[in-house]
Amino acid sequence: DAKTTQPPSMDCAEGRAANLPCNHSTISGNEYVYWYRQIHSQGPQYIIHGLKNNETNEMASLIITEDRKSSTLILPHATLRDTAVYYCIVRVIGSGTNAGKSTFGDGTTLTVKP
Amino acid sequence: DAGVIQSPRHEVTEMGQEVTLRCKPISGHNSLFWYRQTMMRGLELLIYFNNNVPIDDSGMPEDRFSAKMPNASFSTLKIQPSEPRDSAVYFCASSPQVNYGYTFGSGTRLTVV
Repeated sequence: DAKTTQPPSMDCAEGRAANLPCNHSTISGNEYVYWYRQIHSQGPQYIIHGLKNNETNEMASLIITEDRKSSTLILPHATLRDTAVYYCIVRVIGSGTNAGKSTFGDGTTLTVKP
Repeated sequence: DAGVIQSPRHEVTEMGQEVTLRCKPISGHNSLFWYRQTMMRGLELLIYFNNNVPIDDSGMPEDRFSAKMPNASFSTLKIQPSEPRDSAVYFCASSPQVNYGYTFGSGTRLTVV
């Protein structure tokens, strides 16, 4: 799987948009970008994923650059409950041994402040 | 939907004892994953199954660890004999297919003394 690089920590004011960057410059054509978050003491929670188009769901938006070498997760109106570690992962799709296998890095600790 | 169910939530055992962690995936999910999380090493993938078949166990640390999935609704991760360095939170996750997002359980916090 391609490696990802994320800043170790970020702060965001409550009610403002949180923009979390991720670099994945060695991503391959058959790899999706996935985002998860982990709130303290809980299991990681799936947020969103995408291949090359921007994606949006009820939790967040995912912006992937045209060259697919980086992406940004956007939480449009951050709340205190969004304080968590956010993981960006690239993952092989399709069939085969590596398909579906997700390797988690260190992630970004997002702290939402009142 | 009860989500991914793991048991026990907490386990304290003495070094040398056998430990069995259990996981019930979400019904209809075909892929199941076991992860271990420690402060030093973060989240590590131990093994994953697709349609009850182990696909990749390269993350299993050593022969003391074994995992089984006898049917689509149950998996176990066994450590025998356990050692203090096995102390960690063990997560189970499942997904409908290999390319979907995972749903994680609440984890089992294992302490080996």
